[in-house]
Amino acid sequence: EIVLTQSPGTLSLSPGDRATLSCRSSQSVRSSYLAWYQQKSGQAPRLLIYGASSRATGIPDRFSGSGSGTDFTLTISRLEPEDFAVYYCQYYGASPFTFGPGTKVDIK
Amino acid sequence: QVQLVQSGAEVKTPGASVKVSCKASGYTFTNYYMNWARQAPGQGLEWMGIIKPSDASTGYAQKFQGRLTMTRDTSTSTVYMELSSLGSEDTAVYYCARGGEMITSGWGSFDLWGRGTLVTVSS
Repeated sequence: EIVLTQSPGTLSLSPGDRATLSCRSSQSVRSSYLAWYQQKSGQAPRLLIYGASSRATGIPDRFSGSGSGTDFTLTISRLEPEDFAVYYCQYYGASPFTFGPGTKVDIK
Repeated sequence: QVQLVQSGAEVKTPGASVKVSCKASGYTFTNYYMNWARQAPGQGLEWMGIIKPSDASTGYAQKFQGRLTMTRDTSTSTVYMELSSLGSEDTAVYYCARGGEMITSGWGSFDLWGRGTLVTVSS
């Protein structure tokens, strides 16, 4: 079973800052099957990135994904007020479709 | 409009079962996988299982084997998640989430989510 680790646990930043979130896998995975989700308080998650680097429909281009093997990154180039949320990575290439524990991006 | 509409909140006693529904609309129901995930209060997301609406085949996370059942009704474009032998640790928001289009992308990422159904297990 793939185990995903996310760091940092919490990222305290200001609007306009650049956010860099890390997702590390316990073993090498196909990047085709790595996704990132955003979840705001009281809401369902929203797909941001699939295939490690492809933005989902309607996702602004300030969100970008990269990485391969065991190390993946979600970058938010300039934080907007609506971007403060929890972000999860997920591997969906093999069952179980594991989620990482999440990174909370909060306002500094 | 493309959406997943889930059934309402449930309160169950320990040892009982719960059945949550998820009605799809706005797309061809049998063309996409459907997943269930849950989120305990203040915790992260946990994938539970997947169903292929076209033939009702399923795959469950090992943790839930033996007490999780996913079914579907193609006449109403609805999938169901039934979890038995509930304990307090099953208190969570349960989400259905659309997976990939079977022909083109396999299991796929979860691009469409229901709003969630709160299941509370309490004596």
